[in-house]
Amino acid sequence: GQQVMQIPQYQHVQEGEDFTTYCNSSTTLSNIQWYKQRPGGHPVFLIQLVKSGEVKKQKRLTFQFGEAKKNSSLHITATQTTDVGTYFCAVEGAQKLVFGQGTRLTINP
Amino acid sequence: DAMVIQNPRYQVTQFGKPVTLSCSQTLNHNVMYWYQQKSSQAPKLLFHYYDKDFNNEADTPDNFQSRRPNTSFCFLDIRSPGLGDAAMYLCATSRAGTGEETQYFGPGTRLLVL
Repeated sequence: GQQVMQIPQYQHVQEGEDFTTYCNSSTTLSNIQWYKQRPGGHPVFLIQLVKSGEVKKQKRLTFQFGEAKKNSSLHITATQTTDVGTYFCAVEGAQKLVFGQGTRLTINP
Repeated sequence: DAMVIQNPRYQVTQFGKPVTLSCSQTLNHNVMYWYQQKSSQAPKLLFHYYDKDFNNEADTPDNFQSRRPNTSFCFLDIRSPGLGDAAMYLCATSRAGTGEETQYFGPGTRLLVL
């Protein structure tokens, strides 16, 4: 079945530093989604990328979809304490999403 | 606001005592999912309903069952909870066939097995 590898598993940064998480697939993806889960919360949809080479921005968050549609990244510029949480990528399988392992971001204020 | 609602938010049960978790949605989505999430792990899909069609994941134990009496409601039944079933249970919905299969998650029910 569809699988996606997400790295790193954990990332600890100082507030104000940048953060990036990566997702990689061995097969070409139709699209990729990103979710954020705050500590004690539930996953919340952030964005979906569909086109090859697509770049989308949401304030300090930049999402990229690779040219070959096999990898994606989420970059946060100048992290803030509100960015704490686990970021998951997710790809479509048969009528379902397959989640990456997630990257847990912690921030030192 | 339209949303996915889960009740209860916290559930304590005894080893082997059946428990039912509920999920309702006002989004009129045709797909509903149940996930199990343990600490520091990604959500693990247990099963989903596409309209009335039930789709079980191959590795979901028989101990877990589900019912969807109508579009809005979906239940997760754990027939004989074990200590290993303590987890967060997340319900999610989506509208299939739109090209954007975003999933909307409920707040989850945290299950504790004593």
